[in-house]
Amino acid sequence: QVQLQESGPGLVKPSETLPLTCTVSGGSVSGVSYYWSWIRQPPGKGLEWIGYIYSSANANYNPSLKSRVTISLDTSKNQFSLRLMSVTAADTAVYYCARLFTSWMFFDSWGQGTLVTVSS
Amino acid sequence: EIVLTQSPGTLSLSPGERATLSCRASQSISSSYVAWYQQKPGQAPRLLIYVASRRATGIPDRFSGSGSGTDFTLTISRLEPEDFAVYYCQQYGSSPKLTFGGGTKVEIK
Repeated sequence: QVQLQESGPGLVKPSETLPLTCTVSGGSVSGVSYYWSWIRQPPGKGLEWIGYIYSSANANYNPSLKSRVTISLDTSKNQFSLRLMSVTAADTAVYYCARLFTSWMFFDSWGQGTLVTVSS
Repeated sequence: EIVLTQSPGTLSLSPGERATLSCRASQSISSSYVAWYQQKPGQAPRLLIYVASRRATGIPDRFSGSGSGTDFTLTISRLEPEDFAVYYCQQYGSSPKLTFGGGTKVEIK
């Protein structure tokens, strides 16, 4: 059974870059059946899709975040990563990595989530 | 941009009652790409329904999904204590590629 685990700093300063990594075990980030995604949830609020990646050169981002987001894939480490630039307090959220099943485009596996706070 | 509007925001019911949750899209969407999730406090969302009406593995048959076009529904036939949670619908399609509804909280009356 696939497992996903987020890692990264719990605190990021305003205007800096938020870096997170998702390590996948029990499955491979290579292949065509799944896309690898980031989703966030501000405290007490709903879910917001950030973007997904499939193969190292193909990514798709939420237009509202596109100018600040980069998602990358490291098949050698079976990981994928998120970089969100120029963060503000509005980027404070629980960040989830998740696997997107491409046949029907639903998220079938999620990490536990990691809280990232943007504050000086 | 496709917006998913969930209603009601909060549903107050007793165990054993029927819950009907609505998800309305701002334009017609493909039911092939509509999913529902359950989220409990401090946990990641869990997939309940995909392709609008198919139950995910291990999901009890008291959960059912239906709908097409712009209107989709999640029904819980008889609420169990563990069903009190927040429920989200999700669609894939036009830009933005993926969107979630704002959620419906099902709370104990």
